[in-house]
Amino acid sequence: KAGVTQTPRYLIKTRGQQVTLSCSPISGHRSVSWYQQTPGQGLQFLFEYFSETQRNKGNFPGRFSGRQFSNSRSEMNVSTLELGDSALYLCARFKRVNEQYFGPGTRLTVT
Amino acid sequence: GENVEQHPSTLSVQEGDSAVIKCTYSDSASNYFPWYKQELGKRPQLIIDIRSNVGEKKDQRIAVTLNKTAKHFSLHITETQPEDSAVYFCAALSGGYQKVTFGIGTKLQVIP
Repeated sequence: KAGVTQTPRYLIKTRGQQVTLSCSPISGHRSVSWYQQTPGQGLQFLFEYFSETQRNKGNFPGRFSGRQFSNSRSEMNVSTLELGDSALYLCARFKRVNEQYFGPGTRLTVT
Repeated sequence: GENVEQHPSTLSVQEGDSAVIKCTYSDSASNYFPWYKQELGKRPQLIIDIRSNVGEKKDQRIAVTLNKTAKHFSLHITETQPEDSAVYFCAALSGGYQKVTFGIGTKLQVIP
C-alpha cells in the first residue's frame, strides 16, 4: 500500500497561535518531505527528513520547524501564525527512487 | 539553489487539440524532471518523468522532452480530453539529496 496519512485534514487557527501537523508514511520509508501549497506561490519546499535528521531545508522563516521520529512519522510546527500561512500543507515520501507520493494534505486556515 | 520557471500559468484548449507546457531550470546538476497532475481537491500525482540522459519519453497521449543544453523541458498532451483538466506542475531534482523544486503550475482547461 503506497500510503501517506496526514492529520488533521482541516484546521482553523487564529493569528499568533501555533500549530502542529502530522504525517505518517507507510512503515519502512525513512524520507519525508513537507511542502506548502498556495494559489500564488505553487508548491514550495519546506524541509526533508531522513532517518530523523533534517537533510534539506527550503527558504522559510524559523517559525517553521519539523522533526521526524524513529517510526518515520514526522511533525511540522508553525509558531506565531500569520494570515499568509493559510495554505495546503503536503507531506510526501519517495515511492521509488526520485518519485514522490503525496499525502492528502492538511488545509490550514489562519483567521 | 535551483529555480524552476513554468509557463503558461493558464492554458485553455479545445477538446482534441494538443497542449504544451514549458519549464526551464537553473541548476545544471539537476538530473531528474517529473511532471505532476493535480486535480481539484486532490493530491499531486506523478504522470511522467524524464532523466537527464534521455531526450524524450512518451506514454500514450503524454510526452516529455528535455533539452539539457538549454535547460528546458516540456510536457506535451495530445488529443486532449476533458479529464485532462487540472493543474500541472513541473519539477527538477538534483543530486542524491532528493530536494525537489517545483514550477508555479499551469492550470489546463480542456473545453468540450
